[in-house]
Amino acid sequence: DAGVIQSPRHEVTEMGQEVTLRCKPISGHNSLFWYRQTMMRGLELLIYFNNNVPIDDSGMPEDRFSAKMPNASFSTLKIQPSEPRDSAVYFCASSLVGGGTYEQYFGPGTRLTVT
Amino acid sequence: ILNVEQSPQSLHVQEGDSTNFTCSFPSSNFYALHWYRWETAKSPEALFVMTLNGDEKKKGRISATLNTKEGYSYLYIKGSQPEDSATYLCALRSGYALNFGKGTSLLVTP
Repeated sequence: DAGVIQSPRHEVTEMGQEVTLRCKPISGHNSLFWYRQTMMRGLELLIYFNNNVPIDDSGMPEDRFSAKMPNASFSTLKIQPSEPRDSAVYFCASSLVGGGTYEQYFGPGTRLTVT
Repeated sequence: ILNVEQSPQSLHVQEGDSTNFTCSFPSSNFYALHWYRWETAKSPEALFVMTLNGDEKKKGRISATLNTKEGYSYLYIKGSQPEDSATYLCALRSGYALNFGKGTSLLVTP
């Protein structure tokens, strides 16, 4: 298995631009998680999906952030408009919940820089 | 949200030293405690999952224990090696999601 795949690995954009981060979870996993990592807050959970349905988006910072999971093999996290304080590493993770250990497998992350 | 505290924030040891660090939590109201290892420029990798008070897990030179009654888990590394340098994250699971601590950053120098 290729593991969790994220793209792009690096993104540099100007303030005000729309940014879309992509994630392909491990095949067979039924839950997907988006995290943001910053020096100040560590690893923060933004939103997670179970069977493609958003379960908890209370970690999404504000309305500029949105996430979708149109099918079991793809999810996007969109920031519109982007701001410099959104600069961080964004991780996607997937897991098989219900009957397993609930271990989460992380992708390589997308390093976002907003100038 | 379950509050997860990790200490120390960072640790610097010499190769061959054994070390340990702590994950503490105020409540035992969770399903499982997870330990992850996170190397610089890589993504977190799962080490252990523990669910019961008194659980002990071991993988090579790394082991972990869980004490839900007193609200802590220890991670031990025996005979630290430079390749053990990483951030070690503790997380509690109360539903589907994991709530992570900020980690202990370990540096092992030759």
